[in-house]
Amino acid sequence: QVHLMESGGKVVQPGGSLRLSCEATGFIFSSKAMHWVRQAPGKGLEWVAAISYDGGNKNYGDFVKGRVTISRDNSKNTVHLQMNSLRTEDTAIYYCARVNYDDNGYPSFDYWGQGTRVTVSS
Amino acid sequence: EIVLTQSPGTLSLSPGERATLSCRASQSVTNDFLAWYQQKPGQAPRLLIYGVSIRATGIPDRFSGGGSGTDFTLTISRLEPEDFAVYYCQQYGGSPQCSFGQGTKLEIK
Repeated sequence: QVHLMESGGKVVQPGGSLRLSCEATGFIFSSKAMHWVRQAPGKGLEWVAAISYDGGNKNYGDFVKGRVTISRDNSKNTVHLQMNSLRTEDTAIYYCARVNYDDNGYPSFDYWGQGTRVTVSS
Repeated sequence: EIVLTQSPGTLSLSPGERATLSCRASQSVTNDFLAWYQQKPGQAPRLLIYGVSIRATGIPDRFSGGGSGTDFTLTISRLEPEDFAVYYCQQYGGSPQCSFGQGTKLEIK
């Protein structure tokens, strides 16, 4: 059974740093790309970052470029999101999601974690 | 940059009615990599439709997706009480790699 569990969210001051983690179970983690998506309070979904199955390719949303680094440890079935220079507008629930490709090559975010809450406040 | 615009922002309907949600892209969506997600309060998003019209595992056939290029729709043929939620469309593979629409809230009339 596929399961994604985020951790690391907490209250942090503006300018601070935080490392989020997402532990995966129930599938061959090293074969799937992974993404982070966030949701500010009362707002919609916002894509944050992506990492390929082997960690060789990374992409970021424009609003976090230079402040965020995505990484993965396939030996520990875990993907991380290092966030620096945090701003109040980074306050959100951060979800990790798995990308699956069907037999015809269509991608989808088929499994999501329950999210970890990050609050940036002084 | 592909921007997805969903309409309407809020849709008020009654159980049993048909719902049609729209998602318009600022440029053609790569390879029909267009998906729809449902989100209920306090829950993570749930995959409904991907590849424009392919229902995800376990999704009832009252949910259907259609469209091409820049205009896409999610249709719920007969609303059940559990369908009232927020719906997001998503493109994948364009620039940026992934983006979501702002969401449509489907509420009980």
